[in-house]
Amino acid sequence: EPEVTQTPSHQVTQMGQEVILRCVPISNHLYFYWYRQILGQKVEFLVSFYNNEISEKSEIFDDQFSVERPDGSNFTLKIRSTKLEDSAMYFCASKRDGNTEAFFGQGTRLTVV
Amino acid sequence: ELKVEQNPLFLSMQEGKNYTIYCNYSTTSDRLYWYRQDPGKSLESLFVLLSNGAVKQEGRLMASLDTKARLSTLHITAAVHDLSATYFCAVDRGSGGSNYKLTFGKGTLLTVNP
Repeated sequence: EPEVTQTPSHQVTQMGQEVILRCVPISNHLYFYWYRQILGQKVEFLVSFYNNEISEKSEIFDDQFSVERPDGSNFTLKIRSTKLEDSAMYFCASKRDGNTEAFFGQGTRLTVV
Repeated sequence: ELKVEQNPLFLSMQEGKNYTIYCNYSTTSDRLYWYRQDPGKSLESLFVLLSNGAVKQEGRLMASLDTKARLSTLHITAAVHDLSATYFCAVDRGSGGSNYKLTFGKGTLLTVNP
């Protein structure tokens, strides 16, 4: 069964360092997302990506964040200069069309120290 | 801004009992999803509700959507321990094209006790 895969599963980084979180969405899906979940809290939308460009981003997704789909299969989230408050589980998701559910990857637990 | 409210946030129930989780949302939408999350794990899709009056059932779980009341329910019948997890409702207010995105409720932590 097709699934969304994310790497790494856990990343520890020092404050101020850059991190790149990687995702491979399901191959015939058209919409791609990043969400995050701070421990014990709800899942928050970061950014959506469609037709090779950002379609919407939240207030959380400031200039320190960027996304890319460099090669038609990978979808990456970069945080340029990490802060302690960026520590969270980051989920990648993809969706085929408007009438189907979004499928989520297993997540990358980011710990900023 | 779309708001999604779930209640209860914590639910402890005995095996064999029935209960309902409620999901209210603040603006018009006809796409609502229920997800399950086990501790430290990802979000597993349970139900996709795409129209007013939609009802879906899978095993001991049944979900419904009333778009006029802006309310969805997740009903648990004869709970078993394996249902212990956090359940999220998520509303998609996308109007089409590229604007689909999910707004999640805070989740309901369900614990089923023997």
